[in-house]
Amino acid sequence: RKEVEQDPGPFNVPEGATVAFNCTYSNSASQSFFWYRQDCRKEPKLLMSVYSSGNEDGRFTAQLNRASQYISLLIRDSKLSDSATYLCVVIYRRALTFGSGTRLQVQP
Amino acid sequence: NAGVTQTPKFRVLKTGQSMTLLCAQDMNHEYMYWYRQDPGMGLRLIHYSVGEGTTAKGEVPDGYNVSRLKKQNFLLGLESAAPSQTSVYFCASSWVTGTSYYGYTFGSGTRLTVV
Repeated sequence: RKEVEQDPGPFNVPEGATVAFNCTYSNSASQSFFWYRQDCRKEPKLLMSVYSSGNEDGRFTAQLNRASQYISLLIRDSKLSDSATYLCVVIYRRALTFGSGTRLQVQP
Repeated sequence: NAGVTQTPKFRVLKTGQSMTLLCAQDMNHEYMYWYRQDPGMGLRLIHYSVGEGTTAKGEVPDGYNVSRLKKQNFLLGLESAAPSQTSVYFCASSWVTGTSYYGYTFGSGTRLTVV
């Protein structure tokens, strides 16, 4: 079983749609949680951290459920520029552990 | 304001050849990491370092060696390249306070093809 699991997608959504990604992690001792964004053939870039209380950054909302070992990302009012792969990431044993990513394609 | 710099950006090797990938960071970060990314696999940790002179194995260390002789540099070596090592390699650095991780920055990647 992978330590961090994501639905690979792709999620094809029209501009303006709301889309949600989910992620589960296997190690209950994981310490910190993040969503990264990766554009094709580029390096991953931090999108936002994820907290149990939930946190929002503009159109993006992230949520952590430690009891269920589940992380979510909600994107509202999707833009063409949101098209990318979204990586769920947890800190375990002093290093980031990545999910395989969920690909989002926003269509005009 | 370079951040994390990887060299080279592209390389083609023949099976059995050796090479070293260089990662340099100018942010005074203690922690440095080497990842590889294959299609559909996400990023997998090869080796990491929590400080100058120290290294540790990650998830997929076989076939690779690393060195951290200076705080700002982290080298990844392939002694005898194999086609299975064809991948995109990313270096990253971060600093840590207690159990909190900050400033995770990635280099732009090295695309390695082994033929």
